[in-house]
Amino acid sequence: DGGITQSPKYLFRKEGQNVTLSCEQNLNHDAMYWYRQDPGQGLRLIYYSQIVNDFQKGDIAEGYSVSREKKESFPLTVTSAQKNPTAFYLCASSIKGRPLSGAGEKLFFGSGTQLSVL
Amino acid sequence: EDQVTQSPEALRLQEGESSSLNCSYTVSGLRGLFWYRQDPGKGPEFLFTLYSAGEEKEKERLKATLTKKESFLHITAPKPEDSATYLCAVHGQGGSEKLVFGKGMKLTVNP
Repeated sequence: DGGITQSPKYLFRKEGQNVTLSCEQNLNHDAMYWYRQDPGQGLRLIYYSQIVNDFQKGDIAEGYSVSREKKESFPLTVTSAQKNPTAFYLCASSIKGRPLSGAGEKLFFGSGTQLSVL
Repeated sequence: EDQVTQSPEALRLQEGESSSLNCSYTVSGLRGLFWYRQDPGKGPEFLFTLYSAGEEKEKERLKATLTKKESFLHITAPKPEDSATYLCAVHGQGGSEKLVFGKGMKLTVNP
């Protein structure tokens, strides 16, 4: 079955530590996204990538980094510079980053990673 | 700046009690309005995309409608398994490729 796989499901970060969240998709989608979800808030975009070897900052990119070396993979690193990292992190993909028809593209989401601070 | 407001924030219904969820939006040119369902501890699951005012889409007990300012998600004769958080998002033509999400609406359906 095609889909998006996020791992791990739960992750704990120590003070000053960098941690990496994995996101893999086998949908052959061009675009991939990372969102952060906090209780009582809407999903906020961290980074997105419309093509391999290219990515753009979203609304809350500070303290995070990404890479897109393969079409299937879009890992997110939460660095020690992110002072409030506790949240539910969601990876998503869409068929194309720039819709050809001008119509919006729906997102397919992974099952999420809950990151907490020790 | 594109904005999405969902109301109410939470809704509790009895099984079989129909109701509607509201999503108000402001956007510079609508490319699409999306409804998602999210269960606790899981990623959002796509429900509908609406593109223009007057459009309607249905899936089982759910029906989504769209005007130029808001969208409604109508739930007819809900069942306990419809309990979830429902998210609304818009994709505008403001030059960004991102969706803007509302805060979500938690629906609880009691048996």
